[in-house]
Amino acid sequence: GAVVSQHPSWVICKSGTSVKIECRSLDFQATTMFWYRQFPKQSLMLMATSNEGSKATYEQGVEKDKFLINHASLTLSTLTVTSAHPEDSSFYICSARGVSGSGETQYFGPGTRLLVL
Amino acid sequence: RKEVEQDPGPFNVPEGATVAFNCTYSNSASQSFFWYRQDCRKEPKLLMSVYSSGNEDGRFTAQLNRASQYISLLIRDSKLSDSATYLCAVKRAGANNLFFGTGTRLTVIP
Repeated sequence: GAVVSQHPSWVICKSGTSVKIECRSLDFQATTMFWYRQFPKQSLMLMATSNEGSKATYEQGVEKDKFLINHASLTLSTLTVTSAHPEDSSFYICSARGVSGSGETQYFGPGTRLLVL
Repeated sequence: RKEVEQDPGPFNVPEGATVAFNCTYSNSASQSFFWYRQDCRKEPKLLMSVYSSGNEDGRFTAQLNRASQYISLLIRDSKLSDSATYLCAVKRAGANNLFFGTGTRLTVIP
C-alpha cells in the first residue's frame, strides 16, 4: 500500500532554533499534502494544505511566517518551524492524498515529535 | 459548532464484548466518511471507509446515517489488540482536507 515517510521522527531543540520536517510519499505522487498538529489528548488539527508548485493554504490562527511550508515536488513537502518556542512542542503529522484500490485516500506519515526546551 | 464531534470516552470493555462509537458531523455537504485508528504516540491509520449502504470488514461494521448526520463504528468480539483511539473523519464535497473528530479512546480489558 501507499507509504508516507517523515523525517526526523523526533526532535529536541533549544528555544529559538528552526526545525525542518520532511514528508515524502514513497510510492505515489501526492499533488496535495496536509500538515497537522496534535497536542496531547487532543484531536488532529489541520495547520495547512500544500499543493505542489504553489503556496500553501494556512488554516485560521496558523502563522504562515512561523510555519514555512514548501511543496517543491510531487513526492516531497517540508515544514519549517522557525524560531521554535516551548509552546510549539507537539506531534506534527503530515498526510498525503493518493489513489489506491479503494479510491482516493489520505495516508499519514509516522509523525514527528518536537520538544522545544 | 465543531465540524465533527465524538464522545472522547474512555470506553473500557471486557474482551469479547461488542462496542459501538458514534460520530456526528455538522455540514450536510459532507461527502466522504472514514474511521481511523490511532495507537498511542503513533499516526492515525485508515481502518475503513464508510459507504452509504454500510459496510463490514471482519469484526468491524461502519454505518452512515445522512438524515441524522452521523456515522457509527461497531466492533464485535473485542480483542485486546483493539485498544486504541478511534477517530472519525469527514470530507466535504469540493474540499481537499479531512476534518477529524477528537477521537474515542477504547480499552479492552482481559
